[in-house]
Amino acid sequence: DVKVTQSSRYLVKRTGEKVFLECVQDMDHENMFWYRQDPGLGLRLIYFSYDVKMKEKGDIPEGYSVSREKKERFSLILESASTNQTSMYLCASSFPGTYQPQHFGDGTRLSIL
Amino acid sequence: RKEVEQDPGPFNVPEGATVAFNCTYSNSASQSFFWYRQDCRKEPKLLMSVYSSGNEDGRFTAQLNRASQYISLLIRDSKLSDSATYLCVVNNYGGATNKLIFGTGTLLAVQP
Repeated sequence: DVKVTQSSRYLVKRTGEKVFLECVQDMDHENMFWYRQDPGLGLRLIYFSYDVKMKEKGDIPEGYSVSREKKERFSLILESASTNQTSMYLCASSFPGTYQPQHFGDGTRLSIL
Repeated sequence: RKEVEQDPGPFNVPEGATVAFNCTYSNSASQSFFWYRQDCRKEPKLLMSVYSSGNEDGRFTAQLNRASQYISLLIRDSKLSDSATYLCVVNNYGGATNKLIFGTGTLLAVQP
């Protein structure tokens, strides 16, 4: 069974802090993704990676960066957290290929005060 | 126009009812299609892929109409446990990167 693990279920941080969200998958998937989900807006792609040290911007990359030093781990970094980054953050992974579904971690609910 | 559009609902149905959701997509070159299920405050989980010829998994049937650019999900004999948000998902990109586009979801509430 696919396992995608996010480091925290709930996280509270302060404005201006640097925040790290970690994601680890155990299925040897090449592709990894970070989304945020907000009411009425659905899932929006922040960044994705299709290989170690490779990264591509998604639809809303501003204010975020990512790191993929190992195949199984994909980190999302909020460089200077702001209140509009309060959201549910979801990590996903998949094999490459058009017909491959993505598998999600159970999410991190991040609050920026 | 959104790339993937769904009726947000809620759909309130009694147990045992049959319910159908539709989803439309704007890109005629879309490559692959999925339905995901998301329970309240949980992560999305793959329900089923949608194949060109249509496919069935127990009480769930998915259909694809490329000419009209819509996807449907039919749930027969609804159970209380089917209550969730159903996300329509489309892959427009093909290739290795496998970027998906998610609809905002249709909320289903099955009543006892």
